[in-house]
Amino acid sequence: RKEVEQDPGPFNVPEGATVAFNCTYSNSASQSFFWYRQDCRKEPKLLMSVYSSGNEDGRFTAQLNRASQYISLLIRDSKLSDSATYLCVVNSDRGSTLGRLYFGRGTQLTVWP
Amino acid sequence: EAQVTQNPRYLITVTGKKLTVTCSQNMNHEYMSWYRQDPGLGLRQIYYSMNVEVTDKGDVPEGYKVSRKEKRNFPLILESPSPNQTSLYFCASSYRGISETQYFGPGTRLLVL
Repeated sequence: RKEVEQDPGPFNVPEGATVAFNCTYSNSASQSFFWYRQDCRKEPKLLMSVYSSGNEDGRFTAQLNRASQYISLLIRDSKLSDSATYLCVVNSDRGSTLGRLYFGRGTQLTVWP
Repeated sequence: EAQVTQNPRYLITVTGKKLTVTCSQNMNHEYMSWYRQDPGLGLRQIYYSMNVEVTDKGDVPEGYKVSRKEKRNFPLILESPSPNQTSLYFCASSYRGISETQYFGPGTRLLVL
């Protein structure tokens, strides 16, 4: 089983739509969770960290459910510039896997006018 | 400007010809890592380094070597490249580890014939 699983999409939504991405992780010892954004074959860039209590940054909301080992990203009022691939990232900082980061395969989003 | 640089950005080589991809960061980061990205597989960690002279294997270390003699540099060495190492490679760094923002280099596209 992969460490991090994401629905690859693609998601095609009109401007102004609300879209949600989900991600599950397999290691219950994982401590840190992130969403990164990657534009076509460019380097990934941090979108936001995901905190246990959930957090919001403008139109973006991230949620963490430790019991279900599930992370979500909600984008409200989608913009054309939100078109990208969104990567779910989970760390493993205990035992033999200290120092490793695990990336999901990414969810592709296209926002159309 | 704070950044992670990689060289070369593009490389075509032949099977068995040793090559080195350099990675350098100017942010005094302790943690550095290498990833490869392949279609359908996402980003996979090759090696990482927690600090100078401290390196460890990621998920796909076979066929690669690294060294961390200086804090700012973390070269990736392919002693005998093979076609299955054709990929997009990213170097990344963070201040202290995997619980923090990873800053990625622009990527190196490698084709092994």
